[in-house]
Amino acid sequence: AQTVTQSQPEMSVQEAETVTLSCTYDTSESDYYLFWYKQPPSRQMILVIRQEAYKQQNATENRFSVNFQKAAKSFSLKISDSQLGDAAMYFCAYMGSGGGADGLTFGKGTHLIIQP
Amino acid sequence: DGGITQSPKYLFRKEGQNVTLSCEQNLNHDAMYWYRQDPGQGLRLIYYSQIVNDFQKGDIAEGYSVSREKKESFPLTVTSAQKNPTAFYLCASSISTSSYEQYFGPGTRLTVT
Repeated sequence: AQTVTQSQPEMSVQEAETVTLSCTYDTSESDYYLFWYKQPPSRQMILVIRQEAYKQQNATENRFSVNFQKAAKSFSLKISDSQLGDAAMYFCAYMGSGGGADGLTFGKGTHLIIQP
Repeated sequence: DGGITQSPKYLFRKEGQNVTLSCEQNLNHDAMYWYRQDPGQGLRLIYYSQIVNDFQKGDIAEGYSVSREKKESFPLTVTSAQKNPTAFYLCASSISTSSYEQYFGPGTRLTVT
């Protein structure tokens, strides 16, 4: 079974600074998808960024980028120019090549605090 | 606007009672999912449905039941057999189960006392 590990229960960063959230995963598959979801206090899950395992290029979405290290099974999220609205729980998630039929496997989350 | 609605936002029930959580989508998605979230935990898959009148158990299906009579609706019943039903429940949908992108509803917080 796949597992996703987020080793940082909580991270704090000053507004406008850069922060990196860590995620490692375990899988025997070669083809899969990785995601970072944001869950603000409203508890709505919002997709931040996704990475297809077959792509070597790291995904980027505006201030959000990932460092995908397939051999190391590592998938970190970098948030640049942190804003107060970035404060939330961040979840790393894995989906196998079977797509939604396998469901998403989530880590336990990292609580990101933005200091003004 | 297209999206997923879950109602109610907060639900309270007495132990021993069955309770049904609503999930409706107008995205014309074939696949729908139910997840459970406990404090300090990520989401765990309860059930999913690929098409109408079809559904499959996820990782933690015991004590839950679902139906999929309409494409846009996927209600979840938390039965009295569920030993620890108090949790936050999230519904999601995707174009199909082969699609990697899932869209989430706002969730329902269920408290059983």
